[in-house]
This record gives sequence, C-alpha cells and structure tokens, in this order.
Amino acid sequence: TQLLEQSPQFLSIQEGENLTVYCNSSSVFSSLQWYRQEPGEGPVLLVTVVTGGEVKKLKRLTFQFGDARKDSSLHITAAQPGDTGLYLCAGAKVTGGGNKLTFGTGTQLKVEL
Amino acid sequence: SAVISQKPSRDICQRGTSLTIQCQVDSQVTMMFWYRQQPGQSLTLIATANQGSEATYESGFVIDKFPISRPNLTFSTLTVSNMSPEDSSIYLCSVALTTRNEQFFGPGTRLTVL
Repeated sequence: TQLLEQSPQFLSIQEGENLTVYCNSSSVFSSLQWYRQEPGEGPVLLVTVVTGGEVKKLKRLTFQFGDARKDSSLHITAAQPGDTGLYLCAGAKVTGGGNKLTFGTGTQLKVEL
Repeated sequence: SAVISQKPSRDICQRGTSLTIQCQVDSQVTMMFWYRQQPGQSLTLIATANQGSEATYESGFVIDKFPISRPNLTFSTLTVSNMSPEDSSIYLCSVALTTRNEQFFGPGTRLTVL
C-alpha cells in the first residue's frame, strides 16, 4: 500500500504554463523530500522541507509542507521543457523508520514547446 | 552529496541465470539502500544494507532471491538470482548522507530478462 499519493499521475503542458503537483498522506512525516528523475538516471534531490507550513523556493519551483506535516505540494511557474521528468515526493517517518523513505506514487511531467 | 556509480548500466539476461549489480560510492557511508523501479513509476525498497551487519529486507523480498553484500563503507552488490521475466526492471542503489534522511542515487541498472 502506497502511503504517499501523488496527483496528478500524468501531466502534459505547454511551455510557459504553471502547474501544481500534490503529495498526500494520512501519516505524519518528520521531513519530506522532492526528487526529479530523468530517463536513464537516478532520482535527484530537489529540496527537503522539515517544518509544518514551511515554504521553500528553488528558482521557478515552490515547495510547501502542510501544517500537519502530512502533505506537500510542488508548484512550477512558467514551465520549461527542461522541467520534464518524473517527480517523486518521499517522506521520512517520525519514529521507527530506520532512515528509510516512503516514496510517493510519482507524477510524470512533460513540458512541450 | 556523493558520486555513486553502478555497473552494469544495463543488461539482457536469460531466464534462470543470475546477475550481480555493483554500487560504488566516492565516500564512506553507513547506510545504503537498494530499490527496484518500473520505468516511469515509483521506487520500491528491496533492502537496507549497512556495513558490518546483514541486510534488512522489505516485505516481499528475500535473501535467497536478492542476496546483498556490503564488504566496506564504499561498496555494495545486489544479486538477482534465478531470474525470470518478472525481474525485468531498473535497479537503483542509494546512500543516506544527512540526518534528514536525504538520499542520493546511482544512475540505475536496467535489467531485461528474456
């Protein structure tokens, strides 16, 4: 059972559009990470959010951690073809996780010219 | 961060054979992880490999099928034994470097079993 549900599962947009990806769970996490993966490569860490309500910006990407630390969102402004990839959220459990991460179901983003 | 390499990058294997995947890290790390991923889908954790102890396997994965070695703090191997077409997947190793459980991944090994 996937504990972290991402939506949408697939997203195909035009260059310049804005988009938001959601990552939802019924579990509380001590931290939540976002990764981007391109074909033929491993996931690359984009950001880690730790505090409930925290907002972090990485150029055109804005990440938010929910107040209750159960959910997160990723907003991309003025998407570019270079943003194309598989976006994965991942949560670290508060206790008993043994340094493991729970990965979300993934969002495949395609940005076209 | 860390630089992580995997060998082979891809392979095509026959049913019933075994393949050993190597993972090399450019720094000493305690915790290493092995994942399986279908293209375009999420990651499934196979096991956690800590140096000096036996690997800890997740539900649905067993040592006889996926034996893991961790001889030192910079290297690990995952063997996929007695392969069947259902084992066709991407296999990724990762390391945890920070207290926030941030993980850094190798480029993956794409395995096809005929």
